Amino acid sequence: DSGVTQTPKHLITATGQRVTLRCSPRSGDLSVYWYQQSLDQGLQFLIQYYNGEERAKGNILERFSAQQFPDLHSELNLSSLELGDSALYFCASSVEQGGGYTFGSGTRLTVV
Amino acid sequence: SQQGEEDPQALSIQEGENATMNCSYKTSINNLQWYRQNSGRGLVHLILIRSNEREKHSGRLRVTLDTSKKSSSLLITASRAADTASYFCATDARNAGNMLTFGGGTRLMVKP
Repeated sequence: DSGVTQTPKHLITATGQRVTLRCSPRSGDLSVYWYQQSLDQGLQFLIQYYNGEERAKGNILERFSAQQFPDLHSELNLSSLELGDSALYFCASSVEQGGGYTFGSGTRLTVV
Repeated sequence: SQQGEEDPQALSIQEGENATMNCSYKTSINNLQWYRQNSGRGLVHLILIRSNEREKHSGRLRVTLDTSKKSSSLLITASRAADTASYFCATDARNAGNMLTFGGGTRLMVKP
């Protein structure tokens, strides 16, 4: 157990639907990062939050949004899902910026 | 987009042999990190080397960094079957908001 908790572990949903992925960072970590891992695109950075505020944005689609709550857990919302959104979605946290990340075990999203 | 590119993409060796993986990147960095990922699972942080460091050791791992060539290498000595995994380099680029950009990874297979 890395200390970063992601739920659910698996999600199967239909095209056009909306899902919410949840992440609880390791205790004491203020930064949360979301990554998408697919076979053809590799690991793609989506978005970073630090202590509730958005800090950096990567290749995140407009259909995707995220937030970090006062208790530091974060949610990634994916809407109008397409087949190409099928991927592993990872959350990671770090105690400081510029340090190593601790990754969760990921949510495997399958869009059918 | 991927900042780091690993070479080779795949590597197969016998138990006891050494494994060397290389990473090249494009922009100035604050640090470079290596991660391991077992199939379909979360990434595990292995080692971080800062831009002013040239070599770092951790157990059977040795990492070198050449900022003039924008390259790094990861050496795993006396490999074990349990080392079978994908290995990723990740760069913390300057002026990039402290988020990590991952390369495409090297798939290492260690045969018993």
